[in-house]
Amino acid sequence: GNSVTQMEGPVTLSEEAFLTINCTYTATGYPSLFWYVQYPGEGLQLLLKATKADDKGSNKGFEATYRKETTSFHLEKGSVQVSDSAVYFCALSDSGGGADGLTFGKGTHLIIQP
Amino acid sequence: NAGVTQTPKFQVLKTGQSMTLQCAQDMNHEYMSWYRQDPGMGLRLIHYSVGAGITDQGEVPNGYNVSRSTTEDFPLRLLSAAPSQTSVYFCASSFGPSVDGYTFGSGTRLTVV
Repeated sequence: GNSVTQMEGPVTLSEEAFLTINCTYTATGYPSLFWYVQYPGEGLQLLLKATKADDKGSNKGFEATYRKETTSFHLEKGSVQVSDSAVYFCALSDSGGGADGLTFGKGTHLIIQP
Repeated sequence: NAGVTQTPKFQVLKTGQSMTLQCAQDMNHEYMSWYRQDPGMGLRLIHYSVGAGITDQGEVPNGYNVSRSTTEDFPLRLLSAAPSQTSVYFCASSFGPSVDGYTFGSGTRLTVV
């Protein structure tokens, strides 16, 4: 079956530090990959996505590259801000159309200190 | 505003009570799903639907029931609430999950005492 593994944290960084949140996956097909962000008390928001190998998703300074050879989709940002403090979820949708929903990692709690 | 609307936002139930969590979307999405979020567990799929009249079970369906009579609505029913169903519930919808991912509602926080 499908699964997603990500570092759980909490990850605590200082403002302007470089961020990497690791995500690896196992899938039976050729999945699409996503990063979602959840701010306190809110639902999940799509941050970025990649639908095929070597695609790079980017949004709001965050980037992630779909690496099929290492089955990874690590999230990076060059300079984090206090406002980036949130929980980040890596997820996949399999090649069967994703009709049966997303498979999520357990989430990484990111804390940015001023 | 277009999006996924969940009601209620908060609910407290007694063990054995039943209730329905409402979910509506106005984006004409065919795909809809229900997830529960528990500490340290991430989000787990309860039930999903690929269109009106079509539903199927996800990873954790026991104790829950769904129906999809219209494209817009996808209610989740708790048949006989148990403390283990204390959780935050999210509804999500999509036009094409493999390409677009899902749009999530703001959640319902349910406590069963």
